[in-house]
Amino acid sequence: DAKTTQPNSMESNEEEPVHLPCNHSTISGTDYIHWYRQLPSQGPEYVIHGLTSNVNNRMASLAIAEDRKSSTLILHRATLRDAAVYYCILSRATSYDKVIFGPGTSLSVIP
Amino acid sequence: SAVISQKPSRDICQRGTSLTIQCQVDSQVTMMFWYRQQPGQSLTLIATANQGSEATYESGFVIDKFPISRPNLTFSTLTVSNMSPEDSSIYLCSVVEGLRTYNEQFFGPGTRLTVL
Repeated sequence: DAKTTQPNSMESNEEEPVHLPCNHSTISGTDYIHWYRQLPSQGPEYVIHGLTSNVNNRMASLAIAEDRKSSTLILHRATLRDAAVYYCILSRATSYDKVIFGPGTSLSVIP
Repeated sequence: SAVISQKPSRDICQRGTSLTIQCQVDSQVTMMFWYRQQPGQSLTLIATANQGSEATYESGFVIDKFPISRPNLTFSTLTVSNMSPEDSSIYLCSVVEGLRTYNEQFFGPGTRLTVL
């Protein structure tokens, strides 16, 4: 499985944008880029996914580099509720592939 | 989106005993998974629960220690057998609803297990 690299932790001020980076230099052409997050004492929840183009949804935006070797999850206005561990994950697009979690980035939001 | 419940939500058990964790989904799903999350760690996939056949285990996990059943499309159980303190973890059930081109995974709230 292709691996991802994320910073262990990041801090953001409340109501400011947050850019969470992810490197995936060994990504294959059929790999989706997924982001999940885990709020304290909860199971993970899906945030966003993409293949080649940038994506937006009500939770976040996903910016994918042109060579697909890195991506950035963008939270447009961080709230205290966004404090969580964010996981960047790759899996194949050709068939459903299980989600394998790395260590993720622990995001702290400062009031 | 699928709604997942797990029972029990937490338990404290003695070493050498076994605990069966139940996962119930409010809709039929194609795939179900079991994960473990040790204290302060990320999630580790234990196995894929296959409906009507044996589960598929990840490296480092065996059926004798973590037997799994999946009798239908909405229910699965994970048993943690002959427990030791090292089995103290949160155990999470996860599902995929369909077979579209992209399918997000939904996670249950987890079962927090403490082994004394």
